[in-house]
Amino acid sequence: EVQLQQSGPEVGRPGSSVKISCKASGYTFTDYVMNWVKQSPGQGLEWIGWIDPEYGSTDYAEKFKKKATLTADTSSNTAYIQLSSLTSEDTATYFCARNPGMDAWGQGASVTVSS
Amino acid sequence: DIQMTQSPASLSASLEEIVTITCKASQGIDDYLSWYQQKPGKSPQLLIYDATSLADGVPSRFSGSRSGTQYSLKISRPQVDDSGIYYCLQSYSTPLTFGSGTKLEIK
Repeated sequence: EVQLQQSGPEVGRPGSSVKISCKASGYTFTDYVMNWVKQSPGQGLEWIGWIDPEYGSTDYAEKFKKKATLTADTSSNTAYIQLSSLTSEDTATYFCARNPGMDAWGQGASVTVSS
Repeated sequence: DIQMTQSPASLSASLEEIVTITCKASQGIDDYLSWYQQKPGKSPQLLIYDATSLADGVPSRFSGSRSGTQYSLKISRPQVDDSGIYYCLQSYSTPLTFGSGTKLEIK
C-alpha cells in the first residue's frame, strides 16, 4: 500500500524557517515525482512545485521560488519542503502528493506563523 | 500559466439527480486533467485522471468527459457521502493549476 506520512504541525515565528517531511512507503521512491501543494485556511489548492527524487531536479511555481525549497533523501525515502522568511501568508496546510496524477497524498502538515 | 475556470462554486443536489461540475481550460491541455474530492480536514482523493479514467476504488457513478477545452465531472445518483469539495487539476504544463473548487451538498 502506497503511504505518504507527513510530519506534525509546526509553529514558526515571523522571519524564521520551518521544514516539513513526507516519508514514502509502499513503492519505489525514486520512480515517482513528488508534488507539494498549499492550502490556506478555508481556501483552495495551490501547487508549490515538484521534485524528482532520483535526480534531485525541481520545478517551482513562480510565487514560491523564493519561499520554498524542495529536497529529497533517497536513503530514507523522504521528501522535504523548507519554507523560509515566514509571514502570516504562510499559515496553511501543506500536502505532499505523488505523481502521476497526484494519486496518493500525505495527510497534510499545518504550519502556523505566530509571534 | 493555464487558467482553470471551475463552476459552479457550490451546489446542492438530491440523491436522484445527476450532478455535473465543469472546468474550462484557458488553452488545450491534451486531457491532462484530474478530478479530486476533499472532505473537511482530509487530504484530497483522486477520482478521475486523464480526463476520463476512473481511479482505483472509485465508484462507477463518477465519470469524466471532455468537450473542447471544457472538462466535466458527472456523479450519477450521488450518495450523501459524496458531499465535499471537488477540484480539477491540469497537469499539462507547469505551473500545475487547480480549479477554484465546487462545494457539493447532497441532501
